[in-house]
Amino acid sequence: QQQVKQSPQSLIVQKGGISIINCAYENTAFDYFPWYQQFPGKGPALLIAIRPDVSEKKEGRFTISFNKSAKQFSLHIMDSQSGDSATYFCAANNAGNMLTFGGGTRLMVKP
Amino acid sequence: GAGVSQSPSNKVTEKGKDVELRCDPISGHTALYWYRQSLGQGLEFLIYFQGNSAPDKSGLPSDRFSAERTGGSVSTLTIQRTQQEDSAVYLCASSLSPGSPYGYTFGSGTRLTVV
Repeated sequence: QQQVKQSPQSLIVQKGGISIINCAYENTAFDYFPWYQQFPGKGPALLIAIRPDVSEKKEGRFTISFNKSAKQFSLHIMDSQSGDSATYFCAANNAGNMLTFGGGTRLMVKP
Repeated sequence: GAGVSQSPSNKVTEKGKDVELRCDPISGHTALYWYRQSLGQGLEFLIYFQGNSAPDKSGLPSDRFSAERTGGSVSTLTIQRTQQEDSAVYLCASSLSPGSPYGYTFGSGTRLTVV
């Protein structure tokens, strides 16, 4: 019940296209859903996060869509750029508990 | 410091030797986490420290792995009698609290190679 399932494992998108990464969870007590971005040789860094009281959060080209009834959330990267090529991790937790991370998605944006 | 500092950044060791990996968290962060990341893989949780509470060691893969956090700040991850399967990047992270809305701040990791 603590798992967060992430898909796809890898993704290739043309420059300018939309990258979509999906995550699903089981624990209905989760109330915080962040996404982390990791470049080679670096640790993951917080990218954007959402709480379940809203269905969507947008920051620049990055949008989280949240579907509470389906227990799913996704990251959309609009107008994908080569600099977006990285590994992305979704995660979830609730207050007082540590994050549970998804398995990661390796995104490659091709020119 | 401004971020989480890990040392060394790279470590090559012979099979059977012990290694110590160090993590300096952000000042004031009460929670500290160790993760392991094998090449191209996800984040494998190892151990979690929160304030003065007993650490959550549920992710440690064997009794060759141990960690301590002194004075609620610096943490050391020790791997005894290293094996080739221990080769990975070891990442440390810290946060204000486990559920902090500011998330976790990760260090750049220690790349361990066991030859």
